Amino acid sequence: AQTVTQSQPEMSVQEAETVTLSCTYDTSENNYYLFWYKQPPSRQMILVIRQEAYKQQNATENRFSVNFQKAAKSFSLKISDSQLGDTAMYFCAFMKNNNDMRFGAGTRLTVKP
Amino acid sequence: KAGVTQTPRYLIKTRGQQVTLSCSPISGHRSVSWYQQTPGQGLQFLFEYFSETQRNKGNFPGRFSGRQFSNSRSEMNVSTLELGDSALYLCASSPTQGQGSTEAFFGQGTRLTVV
Repeated sequence: AQTVTQSQPEMSVQEAETVTLSCTYDTSENNYYLFWYKQPPSRQMILVIRQEAYKQQNATENRFSVNFQKAAKSFSLKISDSQLGDTAMYFCAFMKNNNDMRFGAGTRLTVKP
Repeated sequence: KAGVTQTPRYLIKTRGQQVTLSCSPISGHRSVSWYQQTPGQGLQFLFEYFSETQRNKGNFPGRFSGRQFSNSRSEMNVSTLELGDSALYLCASSPTQGQGSTEAFFGQGTRLTVV
């Protein structure tokens, strides 16, 4: 079974600074997808960034980037130039090629003014 | 394009009752997945439907069931409600042509409270 571990229950960062959220996963699969989702107080799960395991290049979406280390089964999220609107729960997720998505426990990020 | 729509947004039910939640996926999406979110267990996968067939199922008792209609809308049913079923139920749709997809779009969820 696949497991996803987020070891940081809570984190905080000053506005405009950079923060990195950690995620590790366990799988015997070779082909899979990894995601970071954001869940603000409105409860809407919003996709932040995704990474295909077969791609060596780290995904980047504006201020969000990942450090994907396949051998180490690590998938961290870096948020640059943090904004107040980035305050939310962040979930790391793993998915095989079958739409069964497994989530980590989440990291509550607070951006302070 | 309209997003994923879940109804109702809030529900209060009594132990022993049953409940039906609805999810309308994004137009053109044929895969619908359901998740349960609780403070203690986090986000857990319930099941996934594609073309009116359940393709994948999580580790939940048989009281949790679902179905998908020909227009891809999906319903989830929980029978004989227990206090522990209180949770946020999230639905996600995917633009998949077959097995697997690379992105899931979530609805805002239905908050179920069992008293």
